[in-house]
Amino acid sequence: EVQLVESGGGLVQPGGSLRLSCAASGFIFTSYEMNWVRQAPGKGPEWIAYINNGGDSISYADSVKGRFTISRDNAKNSLYLQMDSLRADDTAVYYCVLSVGYWGQGTRVTVSS
Amino acid sequence: EIVLTQSPATLSLSPGERATLSCRASQSVSTYFAWYQQKPGQAPRLLIHDASNRATGIPARFSGSGSGTDFTLTISSLEPEDFAVYYCQQRSKWLSFGGGTRVDIK
Repeated sequence: EVQLVESGGGLVQPGGSLRLSCAASGFIFTSYEMNWVRQAPGKGPEWIAYINNGGDSISYADSVKGRFTISRDNAKNSLYLQMDSLRADDTAVYYCVLSVGYWGQGTRVTVSS
Repeated sequence: EIVLTQSPATLSLSPGERATLSCRASQSVSTYFAWYQQKPGQAPRLLIHDASNRATGIPARFSGSGSGTDFTLTISSLEPEDFAVYYCQQRSKWLSFGGGTRVDIK
């Protein structure tokens, strides 16, 4: 069974940083493209970052480009999102998502003073 | 960026009625297309992948059709648990999502 478990969310002040992690199991991690998707309160999902299976092709949404960094460790079956220069409008639930349609349960990030 | 436009924004129907939801892409996505259901406080749940294939465990009353730029999700006879928000998503280029259709009880 595919499992994706996110961690690392929490409350952070504007301008601060957080690192999200996603532990993957139940599938061959090295074979799949991965994404981070976020959902702000009352809004629809927003794709924010993509990484291919080898980690050498990466793309970001304009809303996070230059502030967020996606990475993966295939030896640890893990996906990461380093979030810097956080703003209030980054407040959302962040999901680890396989391109083929599996989602974790999400981790909540709140940016507030 | 591939923009997905869902219609209608809200669909008010009664249990037992048929629901037809639409999604149009700004450029062709072939069949790299999915539908999700989301209920409050939960992650989106995959209903349909590759435009017309039901995900594991999804009831037969859910069906998807379309290719290229125009897609449809049909719920043949609404059950009480089907009242929720539905999103379309493409994976032809990165990912993008439609704005959602809320199916509520009339």
